[in-house]
Amino acid sequence: AQSVTQLDSQVPVFEEAPVELRCNYSSSVSVYLFWYVQYPNQGLQLLLKYLSGSTLVKGINGFEAEFNKSQTSFHLRKPSVHISDTAEYFCAVSRSGGSNYKLTFGKGTLLTVNP
Amino acid sequence: NAGVTQTPKFQVLKTGQSMTLQCAQDMNHNSMYWYRQDPGMGLRLIYYSASEGTTDKGEVPNGYNVSRLNKREFSLRLESAAPSQTSVYFCASSEAVGTSGGFNEQFFGPGTRLTVL
Repeated sequence: AQSVTQLDSQVPVFEEAPVELRCNYSSSVSVYLFWYVQYPNQGLQLLLKYLSGSTLVKGINGFEAEFNKSQTSFHLRKPSVHISDTAEYFCAVSRSGGSNYKLTFGKGTLLTVNP
Repeated sequence: NAGVTQTPKFQVLKTGQSMTLQCAQDMNHNSMYWYRQDPGMGLRLIYYSASEGTTDKGEVPNGYNVSRLNKREFSLRLESAAPSQTSVYFCASSEAVGTSGGFNEQFFGPGTRLTVL
């Protein structure tokens, strides 16, 4: 089974500042990793994903994440945030290959960008 | 192409009442899922359907039933609602690929906000 820990439940930052949202996972098998974003009163939208290959993956809206297998981490970063980035961010994991039907989500990190 | 649609958007029930949440997808996906989202808990899987004709329990199935009506539709039923089932419910679908290199990108509906009094 897989599990995901998002280390910060809330992250307040000022506009144009850099941000890092932390995610650690646990799994006994190879995994795929995802970051989803949920804007207020909306459903979840895929931000980026790691399947294989380059450990630095780029997503929408200027976000990127780095897969670190030795530290079992998949932290999300953005060099300069905007007010519109205010949302809840979820890290998720599924096993790679085989019957990879199920996603396991972290509890979420609320990013609040202040002017 | 509407993606994943859910009805209703909002619902208020009294304890003991029953209701069915509807979900449909037009992406020809094989797999469909029901999650509930509670503050500080993230998303938890209630039930999923890997393919038409199959359903399986997820992390929190108690108090719920599901029906995979056809490839497009996957409904969630609360037979006797309880206040603990107050939550936001999300349906999702994905093209479950079982071969090496495949992945499980899930596409989510807008959610149903349910309150049980």
